[in-house]
Amino acid sequence: AQSVTQLGSHVSVSEGALVLLRCNYSSSVPPYLFWYVQYPNQGLQLLLKYTSAATLVKGINGFEAEFKKSETSFHLTKPSAHMSDAAEYFCAVSENFGNEKLTFGTGTRLTIIP
Amino acid sequence: DVKVTQSSRYLVKRTGEKVFLECVQDMDHENMFWYRQDPGLGLRLIYFSYDVKMKEKGDIPEGYSVSREKKERFSLILESASTNQTSMYLCATRDGTTGELFFGEGSRLTVL
Repeated sequence: AQSVTQLGSHVSVSEGALVLLRCNYSSSVPPYLFWYVQYPNQGLQLLLKYTSAATLVKGINGFEAEFKKSETSFHLTKPSAHMSDAAEYFCAVSENFGNEKLTFGTGTRLTIIP
Repeated sequence: DVKVTQSSRYLVKRTGEKVFLECVQDMDHENMFWYRQDPGLGLRLIYFSYDVKMKEKGDIPEGYSVSREKKERFSLILESASTNQTSMYLCATRDGTTGELFFGEGSRLTVL
């Protein structure tokens, strides 16, 4: 069975500082991994995805994530936080690229301090 | 652009009422999903569908049913609403080629 653990339900960083949001996964097969972002009063939108190609994945808005099989991790980073990055971030795992469902983590709310 | 439209952004219902949440997509995706989102619990899958008239239970199907009579429409039904079903409900479709989920804006349901 697949699962995702996001460490830290709330993260605060200063504007311009490094953003690091943690995600660890469990999967019985090589996983497909996703990061989604949810802005207030909106649905979720895809930030980036890992599909067994490059282990360092670049996404939208300057975010990137690195797949580390040995650590079963897929942490999300951004070198310099912007006020507009304030949102909730969800990590998700899937064992199949087609019909299989995605399993989501519990989310991390990112606050940016001016 | 994929568009996933949920019929109601906000609903207030009373305990015992039957509730319909409608979701329509315009990209001809085969796979559609209903999640509920609660603080501290993330997104939990209620039901999903691979094709017309096909449905599969997710992780928390109790108290819910679904209907998919047409490919573009996936409805979530609460036969007898209860206060513990107060939540944000999110519909999504999945691109079978890229694996990406596309979400609607959500329906916030309050059951009094």
